[in-house]
Amino acid sequence: AQSVSQHNHHVILSEAASLELGCNYSYGGTVNLFWYVQYPGQHLQLLLKYFSGDPLVKGIKGFEAEFIKSKFSFNLRKPSVQWSDTAEYFCAVNAGSGNTGKLIFGQGTTLQVKP
Amino acid sequence: NAGVMQNPRHLVRRRGQEARLRCSPMKGHSHVYWYRQLPEEGLKFMVYLQKENIIDESGMPKERFSAEFPKEGPSILRIQQVVRGDSAAYFCASSAGTGGLNEQFFGPGTRLTVL
Repeated sequence: AQSVSQHNHHVILSEAASLELGCNYSYGGTVNLFWYVQYPGQHLQLLLKYFSGDPLVKGIKGFEAEFIKSKFSFNLRKPSVQWSDTAEYFCAVNAGSGNTGKLIFGQGTTLQVKP
Repeated sequence: NAGVMQNPRHLVRRRGQEARLRCSPMKGHSHVYWYRQLPEEGLKFMVYLQKENIIDESGMPKERFSAEFPKEGPSILRIQQVVRGDSAAYFCASSAGTGGLNEQFFGPGTRLTVL
């Protein structure tokens, strides 16, 4: 069965620090990969996605992620975080033949940025 | 543009009662996904529906849970005879098409508390 693992459950950083959130998935075939963010009191919204092509994907608000197929990883990065990046971050994947689009999510990482 | 709407935002039920959660997709979207988030966990897929059809219910508990998406009106997730373990946040997402390449837009969620 497909699964997604996020290594860090709770991350605390100071403003301007660099961020890397780990995400690994288990599936041997073609996958589509996503990072979603949920700001306090708001909906989940898409940060970035990878379908094919350049494995380095740029998203909104200065975030990027790199797909490393050999490591089954899709880590999220940001060079310099801001207080407004405080949120919960979810990695997700959909995959497989007859892909209906259902997403398999990791357990989420809570990021707290101290001003 | 109105996004995905869910109501109620908060729902309190006593054990044994029924819970009805509603989801109105974005305008023009005919594909709806339901996810459940238990405390301290990531979102888990429950069911995928198109208008008047259940396409994938592989994540639905076998008993007490049902979902529909009628030709007119919102999608409904129904939980009969609720138990404390049903307490969770229930998220609905909609998309314009099927398959992994179609972005899902999420609603704000319904937080169900079972007393």
